[in-house]
Amino acid sequence: EAEVAQSPRYKITEKSQAVAFWCDPISGHATLYWYRQILGQGPELLVQFQDESVVDDSQLPKDRFSAERLKGVDSTLKIQPAELGDSAMYLCASSLENTEAFFGQGTRLTVV
Amino acid sequence: SQQGEEDPQALSIQEGENATMNCSYKTSINNLQWYRQNSGRGLVHLILIRSNEREKHSGRLRVTLDTSKKSSSLLITASRAADTASYFCATDATGGFKTIFGAGTRLFVKA
Repeated sequence: EAEVAQSPRYKITEKSQAVAFWCDPISGHATLYWYRQILGQGPELLVQFQDESVVDDSQLPKDRFSAERLKGVDSTLKIQPAELGDSAMYLCASSLENTEAFFGQGTRLTVV
Repeated sequence: SQQGEEDPQALSIQEGENATMNCSYKTSINNLQWYRQNSGRGLVHLILIRSNEREKHSGRLRVTLDTSKKSSSLLITASRAADTASYFCATDATGGFKTIFGAGTRLFVKA
C-alpha cells in the first residue's frame, strides 16, 4: 500500500542550529502539505504545494523556515536557525485534487 | 487560524457505547474530512463528505453534514477500546486549496 514517507522520525537539535526534514509523497499526488502540530493541538498548515509551485505559505515563518519541492515530487522543509518554540511534530501529507490527504508518520522535533 | 472547531474537546465513554463528536466551520466548503490520530502518530483519514452530501456511512462510522449550519458530526457506534484516539475535522474551503484542521476531540473508550 502506498505511503507518505518522512524522515527522520525523530530529531533533537540545539537552538540556533539548522534542521531539515524530508518528505516523499504518494506517487502521482500533485498536492503536498507540510503541517506543524504542537502537542494537544490540531495540525497547522505551514505550506502547500501544487506540483512544484507554492499555493499557500501564509502561515510559514519565512524568516527562518523554507520549503521546496524542486521537481514536484519529494519535498524538504528547513528551519534555520531553530528556536525552542519550534519543538513540535512536523507532518507531511499528499493528496489528489479535492480529495482526502494521506499523512506520513511525522518528524518529532525537539529543540534544546 | 483554524477553520474547524470540534466539540467536545474531550470525551470519555464505556466500551460499547456510541460516541458523537461535532465540528463547526466558518466558510463555504467543497468537502469536510474526518481523521483519527493515535498518540504520537500521523493522522489517518476516516471519511470525506462533499458539500452536496448530507450523510455518509463507513462501517461503524456515520458522518452528517449541515451546510446551512456549517456543522458536521461524527458518530462512532459500538465503541471499542481501540477507538481511543484524537479525532479531527478538516475542511477544503470553496475557491481555495487549503485543508484546514480543527483542534480535535480526544476520545477515551474504557474497557
